[in-house]
Amino acid sequence: QQQVKQSPQSLIVQKGGISIINCAYENTAFDYFPWYQQFPGKGPALLIAIRPDVSEKKEGRFTISFNKSAKQFSLHIMDSQPGDSATYFCAARGSGNTGKLIFGQGTTLQVKP
Amino acid sequence: NAGVTQTPKFQVLKTGQSMTLQCAQDMNHEYMSWYRQDPGMGLRLIHYSVGAGITDQGEVPNGYNVSRSTTEDFPLRLLSAAPSQTSVYFCASSNLAGGFPDTQYFGPGTRLTVL
Repeated sequence: QQQVKQSPQSLIVQKGGISIINCAYENTAFDYFPWYQQFPGKGPALLIAIRPDVSEKKEGRFTISFNKSAKQFSLHIMDSQPGDSATYFCAARGSGNTGKLIFGQGTTLQVKP
Repeated sequence: NAGVTQTPKFQVLKTGQSMTLQCAQDMNHEYMSWYRQDPGMGLRLIHYSVGAGITDQGEVPNGYNVSRSTTEDFPLRLLSAAPSQTSVYFCASSNLAGGFPDTQYFGPGTRLTVL
């Protein structure tokens, strides 16, 4: 069964701290792992993505760490800011004939000033 | 570019009513999809299309129909609304890279309540 499990469900971090969100998957055929950021009342927007041939990708304060053997990947937000307060979704794309995205359950992040 | 647009933003239906959620994109994307977002369940794929005239089912297709007569438009039809269809609906579009959807661009969503 294709599933992506995301944790924690909610996260509170102080300004300047590190926010860490974890995802685990079961299907080894997934070939693309994006993270989406969603602000209240808006649609999700791509934040950062990684492919399984690399173990880490960094864009500014956002880093994806990927552990292929453990079938886990995580989002790290360094120097978290109140403007980062949003819901974050991890996802995985199947490499089969449809390439459908399977989303995690979402993590609501609150960064306190 | 307007990107992905959805109408209406909000809708209240009674059980048994039908309606169409509209989605349009102006990026000439081949791939379009509909998701529903429910608390604690992430986004679940309802239907998708890889081009005009081609549609297929996602994870939760029951109670919904789609068609794709043009590249730009991908309407979602609720045939006979049920309270279980109360949700926020998102339309998304993307290019196809190697036959697979690339970065998906989401619309602002339609919040639907079925009484």
